[in-house]
Amino acid sequence: EVQLVESGGGLVQPGGSLRLSCAASGFTFSSYWMSWVRQAPGKGLEWVANIKQDGSEKYYVDSVKGRFTISRDNAKNSLYLQMNSLRAEDTAVYYCARRSSTSCYYGSWGQGTLVTVSS
Amino acid sequence: QSALTQPASVSGSPGQSITISCTGTSSDVGGYNYVSWYQQHPGKAPKLMIYDVSNRPSGVSNRFSGSKSGNTASLTISGLQAEDEADYYCSSYTSSSTQVFGGGTKLTVL
Repeated sequence: EVQLVESGGGLVQPGGSLRLSCAASGFTFSSYWMSWVRQAPGKGLEWVANIKQDGSEKYYVDSVKGRFTISRDNAKNSLYLQMNSLRAEDTAVYYCARRSSTSCYYGSWGQGTLVTVSS
Repeated sequence: QSALTQPASVSGSPGQSITISCTGTSSDVGGYNYVSWYQQHPGKAPKLMIYDVSNRPSGVSNRFSGSKSGNTASLTISGLQAEDEADYYCSSYTSSSTQVFGGGTKLTVL
């Protein structure tokens, strides 16, 4: 069974940093693109970033470029999101999602971790 | 990277059919057959309902169907049931190698 478990969320002050983790199990992690998707309270889904199987390609939504970094450790079956210079508008539930190996959809999602940026 | 356009809300009575539209551009919806749809109940993670425009994952009811014409994709739910009440999001791959979601549609089963 595919499992994605996010951790690392919490309360952080504006301008601060946070590192999210996603522990993957039940599949060959190194064979899949992985992504982060977020959802602000009461708002819709927003794609944040994705990373290729070997980490050689990374893409970001414009609003986080230069502030967020996606990375992975295939030996540890883990996905990460380093978030710097956090803003109030980054407050959201952050989901880890596995992209299909043959297409561009997300068939597996974690339960999400809440990041709150507030003073 | 503008969000895809969906109606904010739709509603229907049990047994009826509804359709949710998702409008993008030739750089996303119109340019690729990589449109997917997700159902989200309050407090839950999204669930894949349709992928690659019109394909249903194993376990998803055949009451759910998808289609696309030009820059607009559509999700149709037939034989509405109470448990279909949820938020629905479309998503598409883009020419920038990114992904974009729609703003979401709240489905109310009357």
